[in-house]
Amino acid sequence: GAGVSQSPRYKVAKRGQDVALRCDPISGHVSLFWYQQALGQGPEFLTYFQNEAQLDKSGLPSDRFFAERPEGSVSTLKIQRTQQEDSAVYLCASSFIAGVGDTQYFGPGTRLTVL
Amino acid sequence: QKEVEQDPGPLSVPEGAIVSLNCTYSNSAFQYFMWYRQYSRKGPELLMYTYSSGNKEDGRFTAQVDKSSKYISLFIRDSQPSDSATYLCAKSGGSARQLTFGSGTQLTVLP
Repeated sequence: GAGVSQSPRYKVAKRGQDVALRCDPISGHVSLFWYQQALGQGPEFLTYFQNEAQLDKSGLPSDRFFAERPEGSVSTLKIQRTQQEDSAVYLCASSFIAGVGDTQYFGPGTRLTVL
Repeated sequence: QKEVEQDPGPLSVPEGAIVSLNCTYSNSAFQYFMWYRQYSRKGPELLMYTYSSGNKEDGRFTAQVDKSSKYISLFIRDSQPSDSATYLCAKSGGSARQLTFGSGTQLTVLP
């Protein structure tokens, strides 16, 4: 595709439900990042993949958050037992190569609302 | 203290004005500096990318980096209503591939 796509664009969950958010990176991009953006704030790093390997998950806020990229392309961010504080926009970004400073291209995000 | 501090705004200017957006950072390991523009309910899109100290110009946009004072600026000349968006400064460097963002400045350009 022409850019990074994410689905669903909007998700409403009841507190305690599990959710799965999908990211389709730009074809051929090696690196994939997940960020969390709270209302009125800048994106904050969650986790990073190089191909299928999760090289950095230091930003995941709790063990309820889990991400995978099993074939080195599509990635899924899963949140178990959602809490109200998980309400945010979840952004996915990809970059062509794996070096520091590579341009990251962002998807439109998934807006998660936990009631 | 956050690693990247950004003037929060919001900022409202008349069409045609020169806009100055600013960030400071605290970690000298940061080497790469970007400005992203984010329209409402959209993902951030890269606007400017710089590596070294000095100025970089692209059309109406100029990015300025002063590594000695850890200060980053974005100037928009002849601002247009279509420039109305949130502007995010971002950095990466050291061993980290992820971006560290400021909190964003919401800009409104009034016609």
